[in-house]
Amino acid sequence: KAGVTQTPRYLIKTRGQQVTLSCSPISGHRSVSWYQQTPGQGLQFLFEYFSETQRNKGNFPGRFSGRQFSNSRSEMNVSTLELGDSALYLCASSLLHSDYGYTFGSGTRLTVV
Amino acid sequence: GQQLNQSPQSMFIQEGEDVSMNCTSSSIFNTWLWYKQDPGEGPVLLIALYKAGELTSNGRLTAQFGITRKDSFLNISASIPSDVGIYFCAGQLESSASKIIFGSGTRLSIRP
Repeated sequence: KAGVTQTPRYLIKTRGQQVTLSCSPISGHRSVSWYQQTPGQGLQFLFEYFSETQRNKGNFPGRFSGRQFSNSRSEMNVSTLELGDSALYLCASSLLHSDYGYTFGSGTRLTVV
Repeated sequence: GQQLNQSPQSMFIQEGEDVSMNCTSSSIFNTWLWYKQDPGEGPVLLIALYKAGELTSNGRLTAQFGITRKDSFLNISASIPSDVGIYFCAGQLESSASKIIFGSGTRLSIRP
């Protein structure tokens, strides 16, 4: 079966712009989590969605937001981009909320210039 | 805040050697996970541990959930070139509903 699909794979934006990243989970998976990966900070938890509801949130500013649709696909949005937002954004899906059989996508590499 | 201390940060091995890495914390965990990440890809789950003292193997990989619930280790036996990559430990805190936190990773390289 298809894995977790993240689009786009690469993105270049300028400071002040906003960006929307997309994640399609494995068919049947209802939980989607987002992580930011940088060389300096490692993998940092952004948020988790289950059944279109945000279930948990990390320590990121309000510029970072997300949502989940009825088909479990998820998007995350970053507004007013800063240089420090350059990172690999990873989406992970699992069957149920609090199910830790995470499957990660290949990520979206965001570069802010 | 909550933190996982993963060590070593990097290691160079000869093919055929055994490898050991670990994660420790001052907090108690309900779940320990070990992932491997190859360049340009997302992490792939290797082993999941759900009970203190649990020892689980996946081929040449063996991981254990520490009895204090504050640590875990991963061993790789008879390393081969495709073992090269970054290994992450991750855990779900006892105090957290579902958030998983990650260690900083161990970069495994083959010594030429």
